[in-house]
This record gives sequence, C-alpha cells and structure tokens, in this order.
Amino acid sequence: DVKVTQSSRYLVKRTGEKVFLECVQDMDHENMFWYRQDPGLGLRLIYFSYDVKMKEKGDIPEGYSVSREKKERFSLILESASTNQTSMYLCASSLRQGPVYGYTFGSGTRLTVV
Amino acid sequence: AQSVTQLDSHVSVSEGTPVLLRCNYSSSYSPSLFWYVQHPNKGLQLLLKYTSAATLVKGINGFEAEFKKSETSFHLTKPSAHMSDAAEYFCVVRGSGGSYIPTFGRGTSLIVHP
Repeated sequence: DVKVTQSSRYLVKRTGEKVFLECVQDMDHENMFWYRQDPGLGLRLIYFSYDVKMKEKGDIPEGYSVSREKKERFSLILESASTNQTSMYLCASSLRQGPVYGYTFGSGTRLTVV
Repeated sequence: AQSVTQLDSHVSVSEGTPVLLRCNYSSSYSPSLFWYVQHPNKGLQLLLKYTSAATLVKGINGFEAEFKKSETSFHLTKPSAHMSDAAEYFCVVRGSGGSYIPTFGRGTSLIVHP
C-alpha cells in the first residue's frame, strides 16, 4: 500500500513563527497536494505539484508557500504563522494526472497557532 | 467547471438500519467520482470510485454507490449500519478535462445510534 506520511500529528506554534509541514510518499507518485480542513468548509486546496520543482496555486495560497525538491517530499511553509492558520492540514498524493486516479491521504497535522 | 453538493451535513441512523448519503455533481466533462471516509483525527480513506465502467460500484466495508447520469447523482448506500461506520464522508468529482484537480464536497457526518 502507498503510504503518505506527515511528520507531525500535532503542532503548536507562536504567531509570527515560520512553520514547516512535511509530507513524504513512498510510491513514486507524480502529484502531491496540500489541503486545509476546517469545520463546515470541507477541504480547501492550498497548493499542488505535478512534478519535482513544479508547483501550482490552489484556491487559498495566501500566506503559504511550498517546496518540492524531491519527488517523494512536498513541504508546506507558513512564512509567518497567524492565528487564522490554525487548522487541520492534509497532504495527499496521486499517481499521475487524469480523472481515474484517486488520492492517498496522510493522517493530517493539526496545527494550533497561539 | 465542476462542483459537488452533499445534500445533508448530518445523517443519523440506528445500528442495523440502511445508510443513504446523497451526492449530486456537475461537470463539463465525463467525470470520475469518489467517496472518501474520514474517521476522527485521521486522514481520508478511499471507499470507492466510479470511472465510467459499471454504474454500480462496490467499495470497502459493504458500501456501494450508483452513478446516475440522468440525475447527476452518486449516492452512497449501505444495507446495514455498524457503529464503526460513524465518520465523515466526502463525495469528490474529478473531471476528464482541464487540470483534473478534484472538487470535494463539504462532507456528511454519519451518526450511528446503538
């Protein structure tokens, strides 16, 4: 089975800190995604990447950046954390582009910014 | 353009009774459709997917869904609910044109009473 591993289950950070959320997948998937999940809002796409060193903005990229230097790793960066970025963050990967490919999700990182 | 609407934010059933979670979609292209389940504090897990083959799709844990093009629906059903089915369920549409980025519904919380 494909595994998507998010490095932290819970994080508490202070306002203004730079925060790194790491995601690693082990099955050579081309596509990787970062979502945030908030009650009543479902999943909202922050950034995605079709391949190494490629990135595309999703629906809510403001306040975030990403890095994909290696195919298996996709990092989400909060340049200066704010309290409105308190959320559950979910990483996902997909074998490649195309409508038939589903996602494999990580277990999520619950980030609290104080 | 594509969208997905989960018609109920919460569904409450008794253990042993049938489950129906409703999903309507719109897509400019022939869509692929997915149902994911999320248990508390976990990532999302794929339940089943429709990719233009059989319209009745069977998934894990006794769930199934029927693709009805005329009704633009992809409702999730299970004949008999189990306590372990209590979770959040997401309907997802992924079009065959454009960037293939999937669109998530806002989720339906399934509550199972003993």
